[in-house]
Amino acid sequence: DAMVIQNPRYQVTQFGKPVTLSCSQTLNHNVMYWYQQKSSQAPKLLFHYYDKDFNNEADTPDNFQSRRPNTSFCFLDIRSPGLGDAAMYLCATSSRTAIQETQYFGPGTRLLVL
Amino acid sequence: SQQGEEDPQALSIQEGENATMNCSYKTSINNLQWYRQNSGRGLVHLILIRSNEREKHSGRLRVTLDTSKKSSSLLITASRAADTASYFCATDGGATNKLIFGTGTLLAVQP
Repeated sequence: DAMVIQNPRYQVTQFGKPVTLSCSQTLNHNVMYWYQQKSSQAPKLLFHYYDKDFNNEADTPDNFQSRRPNTSFCFLDIRSPGLGDAAMYLCATSSRTAIQETQYFGPGTRLLVL
Repeated sequence: SQQGEEDPQALSIQEGENATMNCSYKTSINNLQWYRQNSGRGLVHLILIRSNEREKHSGRLRVTLDTSKKSSSLLITASRAADTASYFCATDGGATNKLIFGTGTLLAVQP
């Protein structure tokens, strides 16, 4: 089945130690998104790629970076994780149309910062 | 903030009862979507309603949209314990490629 896969499902890192979260998709969608979701809150968009074009949200900290080497994969790099970065990180995809359509989400990676 | 508001924040009902959740948003939209999120999991798309539609059904789900009031409601009929989850509305804010999520409603269905 076509899907969005996130690895790992749980990630523990140390304060200040760089960490990379990965996302892959078999849907062949050209838009990929990264969201941060803290407990009992709505998902917050960090950035998205439309094909290779990177679109950063204005309030996304510089500590968060992303790479999309090809259509199928997208990575979220947190250069120096702080305690406040502990959250669920959700990857999603959509097929570009003139009007926003459905987004397909992965299961998420829960990040714990010690 | 463009974020939508949902109410109630939490809802507890008995199996078999209906559950209604409401969403209000701030900007003009092309469409509004509802997603479900089980605890500790990703979001699953439930239903999409376009700005020129007023009501839409999918199985036990019924969604209404009132663009004059910038509001939507999600009705789940004959609820089941498996419906226990958080429910989020999301709008496109009239733009492309981005969704703005509401604050969510946590639904608990007691068996």
